[in-house]
Amino acid sequence: ETGVTQSPTHLIKTRGQQVTLRCSSQSGHNTVSWYQQALGQGPQFIFQYYREEENGRGNFPPRFSGLQFPNYSSELNVNALELDDSALYLCASSFSGNYGYTFGSGTRLTVV
Amino acid sequence: KNEVEQSPQNLTAQEGEFITINCSYSVGISALHWLQQHPGGGIVSLFMLSSGKKKHGRLIATINIQEKHSSLHITASHPRDSAVYICAVPLSQGAQKLVFGQGTRLTINP
Repeated sequence: ETGVTQSPTHLIKTRGQQVTLRCSSQSGHNTVSWYQQALGQGPQFIFQYYREEENGRGNFPPRFSGLQFPNYSSELNVNALELDDSALYLCASSFSGNYGYTFGSGTRLTVV
Repeated sequence: KNEVEQSPQNLTAQEGEFITINCSYSVGISALHWLQQHPGGGIVSLFMLSSGKKKHGRLIATINIQEKHSSLHITASHPRDSAVYICAVPLSQGAQKLVFGQGTRLTINP
């Protein structure tokens, strides 16, 4: 059974650019959640995808968007990057109705 | 006031000491999670508990639903236990929107 894989592991972007982060969910899991973790803070919920539909969203602007694919992998897209978007982005997968989560190792995004 | 509060924020101890990290929450839950995050960033799920106590090796987690409080204990602490420990609470039944505490940075010196 594979875990959750995120790519890339590190990324440097310029303010105003767009970025796509990827997450492959654990085998058997159909739900993916994305979190943003600023330095020294706990993760903050961005949104959740269940069976290819957005199923809950945190307090993030529309320039944060996502997708979930038929194989339940997911993408997080951020447009018009701002310096404050610099953070560790984590995804977590689980099977609906089951509270067991598997987290990825994260993508560290630096916006300069 | 944060919905999930942890204490202490930072903890330094000597190898072998008994460690306690506390988590208080104000939101209604059906299960609480304890997570471990190493400097590389990846998060490992340690425990998910909704009542009583769970033990895994040198780690013990307890929860008091009535008092909305949970503790994570580490017995015979070791330098490899050095990490950030985070408690997290799902906001509602079935929801995967986890609300996280700010984390406790634990350093165990040899």
